[in-house]
Amino acid sequence: AQSVTQLGSHVSVSEGALVLLRCNYSSSVPPYLFWYVQYPNQGLQLLLKYTTGATLVKGINGFEAEFKKSETSFHLTKPSAHMSDAAEYFCAVSGDGTASKLTFGTGTRLQVTL
Amino acid sequence: GAVVSQHPSRVICKSGTSVKIECRSLDFQATTMFWYRQFPKQSLMLMATSNEGSKATYEQGVEKDKFLINHASLTLSTLTVTSAHPEDSSFYICSARGSGVLQETQYFGPGTRLLVL
Repeated sequence: AQSVTQLGSHVSVSEGALVLLRCNYSSSVPPYLFWYVQYPNQGLQLLLKYTTGATLVKGINGFEAEFKKSETSFHLTKPSAHMSDAAEYFCAVSGDGTASKLTFGTGTRLQVTL
Repeated sequence: GAVVSQHPSRVICKSGTSVKIECRSLDFQATTMFWYRQFPKQSLMLMATSNEGSKATYEQGVEKDKFLINHASLTLSTLTVTSAHPEDSSFYICSARGSGVLQETQYFGPGTRLLVL
Protein backbone atom coordinates (compact mmCIF):
# COMPACT_ATOMS: atom_id res chain seq x y z
CA ALA A 1 0.00 0.00 0.00
CA GLN A 2 1.12 3.53 -0.62
CA SER A 3 -0.09 6.93 0.43
CA VAL A 4 0.83 10.59 0.22
CA THR A 5 0.26 13.38 2.70
CA GLN A 6 0.59 16.99 1.68
CA LEU A 7 0.69 19.27 4.69
CA GLY A 8 -1.05 22.53 4.06
CA SER A 9 -3.83 22.72 1.53
CA HIS A 10 -3.02 26.37 0.96
CA VAL A 11 0.33 28.15 1.08
CA SER A 12 0.84 31.85 0.52
CA VAL A 13 4.22 33.45 -0.11
CA SER A 14 5.41 36.83 -1.25
CA GLU A 15 6.96 37.23 -4.66
CA GLY A 16 10.68 36.57 -4.32
CA ALA A 17 10.30 34.51 -1.14
CA LEU A 18 11.19 30.87 -0.67
CA VAL A 19 8.59 28.33 -1.66
CA LEU A 20 8.34 25.16 0.43
CA LEU A 21 5.59 22.64 -0.23
CA ARG A 22 5.61 19.59 1.98
CA CYS A 23 5.05 15.99 0.96
CA ASN A 24 5.40 12.85 3.03
CA TYR A 25 4.80 9.41 1.65
CA SER A 26 4.47 5.83 2.72
CA SER A 27 5.39 2.90 0.54
CA SER A 28 6.24 -0.70 1.24
CA VAL A 29 8.76 -0.74 -1.60
CA PRO A 30 11.27 1.82 -2.89
CA PRO A 31 9.09 4.60 -4.25
CA TYR A 32 9.04 6.66 -7.37
CA LEU A 33 8.03 10.19 -6.36
CA PHE A 34 6.58 12.95 -8.49
CA TRP A 35 5.53 16.56 -8.27
CA TYR A 36 2.97 17.82 -10.73
CA VAL A 37 1.58 21.33 -11.18
CA GLN A 38 -1.94 22.12 -12.32
CA TYR A 39 -3.05 25.52 -13.57
CA PRO A 40 -6.78 26.34 -13.56
CA ASN A 41 -8.84 24.22 -15.93
CA GLN A 42 -5.77 22.41 -17.21
CA GLY A 43 -4.22 18.99 -16.87
CA LEU A 44 -1.16 18.14 -14.83
CA GLN A 45 2.34 19.08 -15.87
CA LEU A 46 5.30 17.14 -14.54
CA LEU A 47 7.64 19.34 -12.51
CA LEU A 48 10.13 16.72 -11.46
CA LYS A 49 10.48 13.13 -10.40
CA TYR A 50 12.68 10.89 -8.31
CA THR A 51 13.26 7.32 -9.37
CA THR A 52 16.72 6.26 -8.28
CA GLY A 53 20.14 7.80 -7.87
CA ALA A 54 20.72 11.36 -6.76
CA THR A 55 18.32 12.33 -4.01
CA LEU A 56 18.23 16.02 -4.94
CA VAL A 57 16.17 16.36 -8.07
CA LYS A 58 15.96 19.48 -10.17
CA GLY A 59 12.91 20.19 -12.26
CA ILE A 60 11.45 22.79 -14.51
CA ASN A 61 10.80 26.44 -13.61
CA GLY A 62 13.51 26.47 -10.93
CA PHE A 63 11.87 23.89 -8.67
CA GLU A 64 13.73 21.14 -6.91
CA ALA A 65 12.93 18.42 -4.39
CA GLU A 66 14.96 16.22 -2.13
CA PHE A 67 14.16 12.59 -1.42
CA LYS A 68 14.80 11.84 2.24
CA LYS A 69 14.22 8.20 2.95
CA SER A 70 14.76 8.51 6.69
CA GLU A 71 12.05 11.16 6.88
CA THR A 72 9.86 9.63 4.15
CA SER A 73 9.66 13.07 2.64
CA PHE A 74 9.89 14.66 -0.79
CA HIS A 75 9.41 18.38 -0.17
CA LEU A 76 9.30 20.77 -3.11
CA THR A 77 11.25 24.03 -2.97
CA LYS A 78 12.01 27.06 -5.08
CA PRO A 79 14.37 29.79 -3.86
CA SER A 80 12.37 32.71 -5.22
CA ALA A 81 8.66 32.65 -5.97
CA HIS A 82 7.27 34.24 -9.09
CA MET A 83 3.70 35.30 -9.70
CA SER A 84 3.44 32.70 -12.43
CA ASP A 85 4.06 29.95 -9.85
CA ALA A 86 0.56 30.39 -8.46
CA ALA A 87 -1.16 27.05 -9.09
CA GLU A 88 -2.15 23.76 -7.50
CA TYR A 89 0.69 21.35 -6.75
CA PHE A 90 0.28 17.62 -6.38
CA CYS A 91 2.73 15.15 -4.92
CA ALA A 92 2.37 11.54 -6.07
CA VAL A 93 3.97 8.21 -5.30
CA SER A 94 4.26 5.01 -7.26
CA GLY A 95 5.38 1.90 -5.48
CA ASP A 96 6.04 -0.48 -8.31
CA GLY A 97 8.87 1.20 -10.15
CA THR A 98 7.00 1.88 -13.37
CA ALA A 99 4.49 4.63 -12.53
CA SER A 100 1.74 2.14 -13.22
CA LYS A 101 -0.39 3.30 -10.33
CA LEU A 102 0.04 6.75 -8.92
CA THR A 103 -1.36 7.74 -5.58
CA PHE A 104 -1.84 11.49 -5.32
CA GLY A 105 -1.85 13.77 -2.36
CA THR A 106 -4.74 16.13 -1.83
CA GLY A 107 -2.86 19.03 -3.36
CA THR A 108 -1.50 22.36 -2.16
CA ARG A 109 -2.66 25.61 -3.63
CA LEU A 110 0.20 28.09 -3.86
CA GLN A 111 -0.67 31.75 -3.77
CA VAL A 112 1.99 34.33 -4.61
CA THR A 113 1.43 37.87 -3.46
CA LEU A 114 3.15 41.12 -4.34
CA GLY B 1 8.31 15.22 -26.11
CA ALA B 2 5.67 13.04 -24.36
CA VAL B 3 2.66 15.16 -25.26
CA VAL B 4 -0.87 13.98 -24.56
CA SER B 5 -3.96 15.62 -25.99
CA GLN B 6 -7.63 15.33 -25.12
CA HIS B 7 -10.69 16.14 -27.13
CA PRO B 8 -12.99 17.84 -26.53
CA SER B 9 -11.71 20.25 -23.92
CA ARG B 10 -15.23 21.07 -22.83
CA VAL B 11 -18.59 19.44 -23.51
CA ILE B 12 -22.14 20.16 -22.44
CA CYS B 13 -24.77 17.51 -22.97
CA LYS B 14 -28.29 16.65 -21.97
CA SER B 15 -29.08 14.09 -19.33
CA GLY B 16 -29.43 10.62 -20.83
CA THR B 17 -27.07 11.12 -23.73
CA SER B 18 -23.64 9.58 -24.18
CA VAL B 19 -20.39 11.48 -24.45
CA LYS B 20 -17.08 10.27 -25.87
CA ILE B 21 -13.75 11.74 -24.79
CA GLU B 22 -10.59 11.01 -26.73
CA CYS B 23 -7.07 10.81 -25.33
CA ARG B 24 -4.13 10.72 -27.70
CA SER B 25 -0.40 10.39 -27.21
CA LEU B 26 1.04 12.61 -29.91
CA ASP B 27 4.72 11.74 -30.01
CA PHE B 28 5.07 8.39 -28.29
CA GLN B 29 3.37 5.04 -28.11
CA ALA B 30 1.29 4.68 -24.98
CA THR B 31 1.30 1.11 -23.80
CA THR B 32 -0.89 2.13 -20.88
CA MET B 33 -3.41 4.90 -20.50
CA PHE B 34 -5.18 6.01 -17.37
CA TRP B 35 -8.44 7.84 -16.80
CA TYR B 36 -8.95 10.09 -13.80
CA ARG B 37 -11.80 12.13 -12.50
CA GLN B 38 -11.30 15.32 -10.54
CA PHE B 39 -13.98 17.10 -8.52
CA PRO B 40 -13.62 20.83 -7.80
CA LYS B 41 -10.77 21.62 -5.44
CA GLN B 42 -10.00 17.94 -4.97
CA SER B 43 -7.29 15.55 -6.00
CA LEU B 44 -7.41 13.12 -8.88
CA MET B 45 -9.28 9.87 -8.53
CA LEU B 46 -8.15 7.01 -10.73
CA MET B 47 -11.09 5.50 -12.58
CA ALA B 48 -9.45 2.88 -14.75
CA THR B 49 -6.29 1.66 -16.38
CA SER B 50 -6.23 0.49 -19.96
CA ASN B 51 -3.59 -1.40 -21.86
CA GLU B 52 -3.59 -1.40 -25.62
CA GLY B 53 -5.62 -4.26 -27.01
CA SER B 54 -7.00 -5.51 -23.73
CA LYS B 55 -9.91 -4.76 -21.44
CA ALA B 56 -9.61 -1.91 -19.02
CA THR B 57 -9.14 -2.49 -15.32
CA TYR B 58 -11.57 -0.43 -13.29
CA GLU B 59 -11.06 0.84 -9.78
CA GLN B 60 -13.43 -0.22 -7.07
CA GLY B 61 -16.68 1.67 -7.21
CA VAL B 62 -16.38 2.72 -10.84
CA GLU B 63 -19.16 1.34 -13.04
CA LYS B 64 -17.60 -0.26 -16.08
CA ASP B 65 -20.88 -0.27 -17.99
CA LYS B 66 -21.28 3.42 -17.46
CA PHE B 67 -17.73 4.47 -18.20
CA LEU B 68 -16.70 2.54 -21.31
CA ILE B 69 -13.02 2.60 -22.07
CA ASN B 70 -11.46 1.53 -25.34
CA HIS B 71 -7.72 1.47 -26.03
CA ALA B 72 -7.69 0.31 -29.62
CA SER B 73 -4.27 1.60 -30.61
CA LEU B 74 -1.00 2.63 -29.03
CA THR B 75 -1.87 6.29 -29.43
CA LEU B 76 -5.58 6.47 -28.69
CA SER B 77 -7.87 5.68 -25.79
CA THR B 78 -11.48 6.74 -25.47
CA LEU B 79 -13.76 7.16 -22.50
CA THR B 80 -17.49 7.07 -23.18
CA VAL B 81 -19.82 8.24 -20.47
CA THR B 82 -23.06 6.44 -21.23
CA SER B 83 -26.47 7.74 -20.24
CA ALA B 84 -24.89 10.72 -18.57
CA HIS B 85 -26.52 12.32 -15.54
CA PRO B 86 -25.80 15.60 -13.78
CA GLU B 87 -23.76 13.79 -11.12
CA ASP B 88 -21.35 12.73 -13.87
CA SER B 89 -20.41 16.36 -14.38
CA SER B 90 -16.73 16.61 -13.61
CA PHE B 91 -13.25 17.21 -14.97
CA TYR B 92 -11.91 14.08 -16.68
CA ILE B 93 -8.17 13.78 -17.21
CA CYS B 94 -6.27 11.07 -19.03
CA SER B 95 -2.63 10.18 -18.77
CA ALA B 96 -0.36 7.94 -20.78
CA ARG B 97 2.72 5.89 -20.08
CA GLY B 98 5.10 4.58 -22.69
CA SER B 99 7.80 1.98 -22.72
CA GLY B 100 11.44 2.12 -21.77
CA VAL B 101 12.28 5.31 -19.93
CA LEU B 102 8.78 6.61 -20.69
CA GLN B 103 7.27 3.97 -18.44
CA GLU B 104 8.68 5.77 -15.43
CA THR B 105 6.24 8.66 -15.74
CA GLN B 106 2.60 9.31 -16.48
CA TYR B 107 2.10 12.18 -18.89
CA PHE B 108 -1.20 13.97 -18.53
CA GLY B 109 -3.61 15.44 -21.01
CA PRO B 110 -5.17 18.89 -20.57
CA GLY B 111 -8.46 17.49 -19.30
CA THR B 112 -12.08 17.56 -20.45
CA ARG B 113 -14.74 19.38 -18.53
CA LEU B 114 -18.10 17.65 -18.79
CA LEU B 115 -21.32 19.37 -17.82
CA VAL B 116 -24.50 17.33 -17.90
CA LEU B 117 -27.70 19.34 -17.84
